[in-house]
Amino acid sequence: AQSVAQPEDQVNVAEGNPLTVKCTYSVSGNPYLFWYVQYPNRGLQFLLKYITGDNLVKGSYGFEAEFNKSQTSFHLKKPSALVSDSALYFCAVSKSGGYQKVTFGIGTKLQVIP
Amino acid sequence: EAGVAQSPRYKIIEKRQSVAFWCNPISGHATLYWYQQILGQGPKLLIQFQNNGVVDDSQLPKDRFSAERLKGVDSTLKIQPAKLEDSAVYLCASSLDWALRKSSYNEQFFGPGTRLTVL
Repeated sequence: AQSVAQPEDQVNVAEGNPLTVKCTYSVSGNPYLFWYVQYPNRGLQFLLKYITGDNLVKGSYGFEAEFNKSQTSFHLKKPSALVSDSALYFCAVSKSGGYQKVTFGIGTKLQVIP
Repeated sequence: EAGVAQSPRYKIIEKRQSVAFWCNPISGHATLYWYQQILGQGPKLLIQFQNNGVVDDSQLPKDRFSAERLKGVDSTLKIQPAKLEDSAVYLCASSLDWALRKSSYNEQFFGPGTRLTVL
């Protein structure tokens, strides 16, 4: 069975500092990996994904994530955090190919402190 | 373009009552998902439709939950009878048809959710 682990319930970072939100996964075969963000009282929004190719993927709002196959990780990063980045972040995994079920992690709350 | 629409936004019911949620996906999205998100947890897939056919319902508690997408567009999720542990946010999402071979096919667009409280 596939799974996602987000080891930190909450990450606090000062505005302007770099941020990292951690994610590790388990899936048979090649993974598709995703990050979604959930702002208060709003639905989840797609942020970025890794399908194949370059291990560093860039997404919306200046976020990027690095796929590391040997460590089965897909950490979310941003060089300079904004207060408006404060939200709940979900990592997700599926098997590669069409019509595959996506499994989400439990989420990490990011708090950017002014 | 209009996003995924869900109604109602909030619902409070007594245990053993029934409840239904409605979802209208983004126009042209063939794949529709229902997720259950319990407080403090990530979304859990309940059922996935491809047009009006079911792709995956392995985690749907079929003794009390049912879902349909009769015309391959909007969908209804029903709980009958509800239990206390069904209190959660029910999320609907949609995505493009994988068969279209577009690279964005697996990017899901989520609605605002329906918050269900079972008393």
